[in-house]
Amino acid sequence: QPVLTQSPSASASLGTSVTLTCTLSSGHSNYAIAWHQQQPGKGPRFLLRLNNAGGQVRGDGIPDRFSGSSSGAERFLTISSLQSDDEADYYCQTWDTGIVVFGGGTRVTVL
Amino acid sequence: QVQLVESGGGVVLPGGSLRLSCAASGFTSAIHWVRQAPGKGLEWLAVIWYDGTNEYYADSVKGRFSVSRDNSNNTLNLQMNNLRLEDTAVYYCATSMASAFDSMDVWGEGTTVTVSS
Repeated sequence: QPVLTQSPSASASLGTSVTLTCTLSSGHSNYAIAWHQQQPGKGPRFLLRLNNAGGQVRGDGIPDRFSGSSSGAERFLTISSLQSDDEADYYCQTWDTGIVVFGGGTRVTVL
Repeated sequence: QVQLVESGGGVVLPGGSLRLSCAASGFTSAIHWVRQAPGKGLEWLAVIWYDGTNEYYADSVKGRFSVSRDNSNNTLNLQMNNLRLEDTAVYYCATSMASAFDSMDVWGEGTTVTVSS
């Protein structure tokens, strides 16, 4: 089954960009993933779906400040023009028949 | 877009049982159950096809948790038995609109389960 690895934390200044990485385990580098945002005290919110070719589909109402890209087994989420309410936990998610897997999450701090 | 609403959370004694429900505002492919223990990440638990015809479970809850469809009130349910302290969490239902196993593109707001003596 696939395993997803995320760095525990990231930070960037207001108005700048930050890029988060989600790494797929060996043998699963062609898997698509999803990115989800969880703001403090709230439930998760779907941001976008990202395939291994870098093709992405954003969720309803998700601004294009949130953008995904892919390289090999790595899946990236770039947040541009950082705002204070982008301070949140970000989870990647993948799946196979019979199983769904989440990464451990990355906490983004906006400085 | 489909909206999901969970219900049924509460406080339960260790060894007790609880049934959570998820109501969907429209048709979808399947309903997933995901939980988040205090201060921890997201953990996938189970999935049931929206028509109730198929289901899968995470190894961590297989044998203790089960999913089902209640046609009388159109809900997808998570039955949790022999609850342990470590089952304390916020429980979310979520759905993948495209197919049962895909990105979870709609989430409910969650319901809290506290297992405590």
